[in-house]
Amino acid sequence: DTAVSQTPKYLVTQMGNDKSIKCEQNLGHDTMYWYKQDSKKFLKIMFSYNNKELIINETVPNRFSPKSPDKAHLNLHINSLELGDSAVYFCASSYTRGAFPDTQYFGPGTRLTVL
Amino acid sequence: AQKVTQAQTEISVVEKEDVTLDCVYETRDTTYYLFWYKQPPSGELVFLIRRNSFDEQNEISGRYSWNFQKSTSSFNFTITASQVVDSAVYFCALFGTGRRALTFGSGTRLQVQP
Repeated sequence: DTAVSQTPKYLVTQMGNDKSIKCEQNLGHDTMYWYKQDSKKFLKIMFSYNNKELIINETVPNRFSPKSPDKAHLNLHINSLELGDSAVYFCASSYTRGAFPDTQYFGPGTRLTVL
Repeated sequence: AQKVTQAQTEISVVEKEDVTLDCVYETRDTTYYLFWYKQPPSGELVFLIRRNSFDEQNEISGRYSWNFQKSTSSFNFTITASQVVDSAVYFCALFGTGRRALTFGSGTRLQVQP
């Protein structure tokens, strides 16, 4: 009965590779997010999608591309990985009622290590 | 622009002590929401509380209590009679209706010693 799930939990890869992280939520929420947590634990929004439509696209390199095939899934593809991409990536989901947010529930995180 | 400041980087207490985690925020939105999340050593982010800008009532949930003061733009979190299981990083976050995403503070690491 997992609410927000991410795969994989750990990802170790070489610089220059392309990788994807998948996120699925079974809460029936209409909005999904990707956050990045750096080595100092700082959490920052990267993207958000509402009903498969991109709502927020922060200043993130073009190498990062989110894809939302449906309301329950939001995947993150990263091209040409760099050392600085090493971080924990969290997926989250919530309802959005007009401009008012419901609580965001987070997945377990994916720890990406680029060697 | 939105900003959340958690000035306490790390706090260490002995079990059964009370501890308050401070959170100060900045926003130009008139309607906004404030949150606290807990990140235990296992790494997941656990939702603790959500408050909207029109509701300044303090809230108590078991050993946890929150003090929201709009006049000082603060939303502080107190743990009464702390326990070792409370050891975690605690994040305060703001959701403004303008930006529509959470802005997190830098977190406060709480260590509760037995």
